[in-house]
Amino acid sequence: EAQVTQNPRYLITVTGKKLTVTCSQNMNHEYMSWYRQDPGLGLRQIYYSMNVEVTDKGDVPEGYKVSRKEKRNFPLILESPSPNQTSLYFCASSYQVGVGETQYFGPGTRLLVL
Amino acid sequence: QKEVEQDPGPLSVPEGAIVSLNCTYSNSAFQYFMWYRQYSRKGPELLMYTYSSGNKEDGRFTAQVDKSSKYISLFIRDSQPSDSATYLCAMSLFGNEKLTFGTGTRLTIIP
Repeated sequence: EAQVTQNPRYLITVTGKKLTVTCSQNMNHEYMSWYRQDPGLGLRQIYYSMNVEVTDKGDVPEGYKVSRKEKRNFPLILESPSPNQTSLYFCASSYQVGVGETQYFGPGTRLLVL
Repeated sequence: QKEVEQDPGPLSVPEGAIVSLNCTYSNSAFQYFMWYRQYSRKGPELLMYTYSSGNKEDGRFTAQVDKSSKYISLFIRDSQPSDSATYLCAMSLFGNEKLTFGTGTRLTIIP
């Protein structure tokens, strides 16, 4: 089954404790992206990757890191989480960047930073 | 002012009614317009995709884009309880690379 998977689905952590949210897709997609979703603010892009070893900042990259060492994986790293990073996070992928390409979203990771 | 404005609702309509969902935007350079549907505790899924102004129909769904007014709409005909979800509009300059989303409208179809 074609899908985007994220782990963990739910996470409670404390300020300053490094964490990684994994994202994996089995569709051989080139393009992957991370979003956060907050009430009243909608979905905002954090980082995206056009292909392996190619990443770029989205609208809200502060406090986050990403890496793309393999085509299928695009982990999101919070080196020192803070309460304002409490949010619902979505990973998405598409075959490539371009007109008409659909982004497939993962199920989401709900993060609470105390 | 946000780049994309969308009424958050909630919007409740009886089954079988026609639903109208709307977004306005400020960036006249947007060319690609999308509607996503998001069920509770799920990721968004693409519903409709249109380029520039005009209409696009897919089954019970019709997407309209009026670039002169910077206004897009999604119409749902013969609404069903399974249409109950949050609907997000999104738009971009060059395709799917960098999407700007609305905040979403929560829709409930009452049986």
